[in-house]
Amino acid sequence: EPEVTQTPSHQVTQMGQEVILRCVPISNHLYFYWYRQILGQKVEFLVSFYNNEISEKSEIFDDQFSVERPDGSNFTLKIRSTKLEDSAMYFCASSARVTMYNEQFFGPGTRLTVL
Amino acid sequence: DQQVKQNSPSLSVQEGRISILNCDYTNSMFDYFLWYKKYPAEGPTFLISISSIKDKNEDGRFTVFLNKSAKHLSLHIVPSQPGDSAVYFCAASARSNYQLIWGAGTKLIIKP
Repeated sequence: EPEVTQTPSHQVTQMGQEVILRCVPISNHLYFYWYRQILGQKVEFLVSFYNNEISEKSEIFDDQFSVERPDGSNFTLKIRSTKLEDSAMYFCASSARVTMYNEQFFGPGTRLTVL
Repeated sequence: DQQVKQNSPSLSVQEGRISILNCDYTNSMFDYFLWYKKYPAEGPTFLISISSIKDKNEDGRFTVFLNKSAKHLSLHIVPSQPGDSAVYFCAASARSNYQLIWGAGTKLIIKP
């Protein structure tokens, strides 16, 4: 069964450093998303991406964040200058379409730890 | 901002019995609701969904009920099995945007 994959599973970085989180969505999916979950808190939407551009982003997704689909398979989230509060699980998701049935499939997540 | 609320942090159910997980929402623009299951160290796994034009959707042991007037939905699992022990998240979306708004989750524990 096709699945969303994410690398790395765990990333440790120093505050102020740049990190890139990578995702390979399900191959025939067209819509891509990033969510995060700070320990003990709710899953929060960051951004959605379609047709090589951002469709929607939340207040969390400020200028420190960017997304890219550099080739036909990868979907990346970049944090330019990490802060302690960026420590969280980051989940990538994809869906085949956005219609009434917005079924999103999630990857296993990347645990980002900012020291 | 608590547009989607799961008021029970945890629920313990005997194996073989029915598990009922509840979710309330406040935003009347939501028209699609999903339940996800999550094991530790894994991403959320899609379980079942329901659109606002329906009041019930069933898939095997899982049934979701939607009461739009009460802005309430519930997930029924019957019979409950040990492998159902996980955190269950309710999520909602509106047709006008793409993002899923999540509840805080309910940890379901199935006792043997």
